Amino acid sequence: GAVVSQHPSRVICKSGTSVKIECRSLDFQATTMFWYRQFPKKSLMLMATSNEGSKATYEQGVEKDKFLINHASLTLSTLTVTSAHPEDSSFYICSALAGRSATEAFFGQGTRLTVV
Amino acid sequence: AQSVSQHNHHVILSEAASLELGCNYSYGGTVNLFWYVQYPGQHLQLLLKYFSGDPLVKGIKGFEAEFIKSKFSFNLRKPSVQWSDTAEYFCAVAGGYQKVTFGIGTKLQVIP
Repeated sequence: GAVVSQHPSRVICKSGTSVKIECRSLDFQATTMFWYRQFPKKSLMLMATSNEGSKATYEQGVEKDKFLINHASLTLSTLTVTSAHPEDSSFYICSALAGRSATEAFFGQGTRLTVV
Repeated sequence: AQSVSQHNHHVILSEAASLELGCNYSYGGTVNLFWYVQYPGQHLQLLLKYFSGDPLVKGIKGFEAEFIKSKFSFNLRKPSVQWSDTAEYFCAVAGGYQKVTFGIGTKLQVIP
């Protein structure tokens, strides 16, 4: 199947700093990627839909100025957590649509963010 | 808005026992349905999917799921589980714009 690579897999940062997470589709082009956040003992919550060449669409309650999404090419979307706080500590996962008619979602391995 | 409900959050079974994980969804239109699995320390992987056609879908590793439209359900089944099936299982629905909404997940523990 298609491969989605997410980097880094783990990151620890200080409060107030910014962290960038990359999501790459390695063997296919993805016009649409999704960013999820997983809280402990909870489901994956969709944060935003990232569209190549246009602004991301954020879900209700997600601060677009805090979680900056850039999808500058057909193989790369980035999520930047700005001015990180400890409550931003979480597991972030991206996915990209591939397959016939781009209807199947493939997931990155996730990024464990810890803000200290 | 679409939503997914998984009924069992933690299931413990002995090897060779049969498995059924419940999943119900709500969405007003046509949906695509998925079951994903996450083995310890690994990515989410697609187990099986339903887009259209035969409502009984067969996936990898002996799993199957049945779409029952009248009940808005997409339950996952396996006749005989193995220790290697220990993982977390997520039911998911994709409605408009292919936004995938996940259930809370079910942790399956298979005891040898």
